Amino acid sequence: QFQVQESGPRLVKPSETLSLTCSVSGGSIANSSYYWAWIRQPPGKGLEWIGSIFYSGSAYYSASLKSRITISIDTSKNQFSLKLNSVTAADTAVYYCAPYTMVRGVSKFDPWGQGTLVTVSS
Amino acid sequence: SSELTQDPAVSVALGQTVRITCQGDSLRNYYASWYQQKPGQAPVLVIYGQNNRPSKIPDRFSGSSSGNTASLTITGAQAEDEAAYYCNSRDSYNNLEVFGGGTKLTVL
Repeated sequence: QFQVQESGPRLVKPSETLSLTCSVSGGSIANSSYYWAWIRQPPGKGLEWIGSIFYSGSAYYSASLKSRITISIDTSKNQFSLKLNSVTAADTAVYYCAPYTMVRGVSKFDPWGQGTLVTVSS
Repeated sequence: SSELTQDPAVSVALGQTVRITCQGDSLRNYYASWYQQKPGQAPVLVIYGQNNRPSKIPDRFSGSSSGNTASLTITGAQAEDEAAYYCNSRDSYNNLEVFGGGTKLTVL
């Protein structure tokens, strides 16, 4: 069973780049049965999928955020990362990472990290 | 792109049965997964696929699906089930993931 933990700056200035890392334990991030995902939740609002990456580096992103996102993976460190550029106050959210699988038409994110609140403010 | 629609709020009397629904075109092609989120906590997977429960989830939680609607049923709701519940599936239009807006469950 994997465990995941988000880390990174809690405060980012408008127009700058938000950078977060997800550390994976309990198994190899190079496990071919899994993708690795970022999801966010603005305060008081619902969940929004940001994007997912495979150990090979193949990634796919939310259509609404695609122009501003880069997700990368470092198999040597068992970590994957999120960069979101040109942030605004609307990007203030709790950011979660999670392992993701899609098998026979069923997708699931499990387990989730505890989440990290990132605030965009000057 | 496809959307998943959930009722914003549902209530149930303690010990009674409640069904939380999720509607969307993608559910004709993909199963839903369901997540429980209590205030200040990360979401937890409670149901995935046709009707699969992770080992730590009580058997009062069950799932079903018909046409474009997926349902999460709690049989004999407990006070600790009060939470927000989110559905998720793959969007069949663009093969990206999508979440429903969430349903806040109140146990009376």
